Amino acid sequence: RKEVEQDPGPFNVPEGATVAFNCTYSNSASQSFFWYRQDCRKEPKLLMSVYSSGNEDGRFTAQLNRASQYISLLIRDSKLSDSATYLCVVVISAGTASKLTFGTGTRLQVTL
Amino acid sequence: DTGVSQDPRHKITKRGQNVTFRCDPISEHNRLYWYRQTLGQGPEFLTYFQNEAQLEKSRLLSDRFSAERPKGSFSTLEIQRTEQGDSAMYLCASSSTGREQYFGPGTRLTVT
Repeated sequence: RKEVEQDPGPFNVPEGATVAFNCTYSNSASQSFFWYRQDCRKEPKLLMSVYSSGNEDGRFTAQLNRASQYISLLIRDSKLSDSATYLCVVVISAGTASKLTFGTGTRLQVTL
Repeated sequence: DTGVSQDPRHKITKRGQNVTFRCDPISEHNRLYWYRQTLGQGPEFLTYFQNEAQLEKSRLLSDRFSAERPKGSFSTLEIQRTEQGDSAMYLCASSSTGREQYFGPGTRLTVT
């Protein structure tokens, strides 16, 4: 079983739609959680951190459910510029190292 | 630009040749990470430096791979006797906290 699992998609949605991505992780010792965005042939860029209390950044809302080991990302009012791959990331801090463990990513294509 | 930089951006090499990549982290970040990403997958952790000390290496890092960070600033990743399976994007990330990591543009390696 992969440490971080995501539906690879693609999710094809019209502009203005609301879309949700989910992610599950297997290691209950995971301590930090993030969503990264990656455009085609570019580096991953930090989108937002994820907390149990939920957090919102404009049109983006992220949520963590530690009991179910489940992370979600909601994008409201999708824009064409949101088209990208969204990577779910967990961090297990072992000693001083904090290795990011990535899912395979969920591809989003927003269309007119 | 004060972000993470990597050089070269692209490298094409013949099987059996040695290659070296360089990463310059964000200047105040003491933590530096190398990851490898293949098509359709999320990045995978390779190795971690805190200042000049290499504190962790992945099992993915075979003995053909070596990384250094001699003065605690820039880092190099060398691959000896390259194989076609080494073709990938090699990503460098830096961090001050270990949790939020910021990626460079990557070096895309093609082994022919």
